[in-house]
Amino acid sequence: GAVVSQHPSRVICKSGTSVKIECRSLDFQATTMFWYRQFPKKSLMLMATSNEGSKATYEQGVEKDKFLINHASLTLSTLTVTSAHPEDSSFYICSARRSLAGFGTGELFFGEGSRLTVL
Amino acid sequence: QQPVQSPQAVILREGEDAVINCSSSKALYSVHWYRQKHGEAPVFLMILLKGGEQKGHDKISASFNEKKQQSSLYLTASQLSYSGTYFCGTALNSGNTPLVFGKGTRLSVIA
Repeated sequence: GAVVSQHPSRVICKSGTSVKIECRSLDFQATTMFWYRQFPKKSLMLMATSNEGSKATYEQGVEKDKFLINHASLTLSTLTVTSAHPEDSSFYICSARRSLAGFGTGELFFGEGSRLTVL
Repeated sequence: QQPVQSPQAVILREGEDAVINCSSSKALYSVHWYRQKHGEAPVFLMILLKGGEQKGHDKISASFNEKKQQSSLYLTASQLSYSGTYFCGTALNSGNTPLVFGKGTRLSVIA
């Protein structure tokens, strides 16, 4: 079954509003989660690394004031798209690893993804 | 740096074989392969670690050539269910770092 759960799976909002997407690790603690964005027929682009109890690390070109990330607990990270505009419409996916024998050998589990449409 | 995948797209008839390549200009610690169906999240296929190894399950296998920093995914006797976009994701070290994904290879298997 799923080990990383994301909600909502689909959201439609009006331009100018804010949308919050939740990402939960279901049966393990994730001190770090990764947020990706995917445009239609394109690759997964890393947006930011979410760290529990500290500030997120954003990739170059990603506006931290627009994409607010909060990792308040070991099982929950949230991505808030603030003052959304049509160009923010995209597929947002979170991911995390279970701490196995070395993270580099661990599978990256993806959430189901959240499709955001801004009208 | 984003790994380079080839080919960009391939069309197969059921039962045919395909090879998808993923290469990097940087020294890799591991290569991860995923398959994504339209509108869904990527699904994990396998991980290959540096040191050169080959893995496989069912009719899907992969190899990692550390000298060339290239990984190849082999799909044999393809089935309709193999259709989707295949992504390789690369990691430069063993830490809990994000994967950098290639642009993907769209595979279509037709009857």
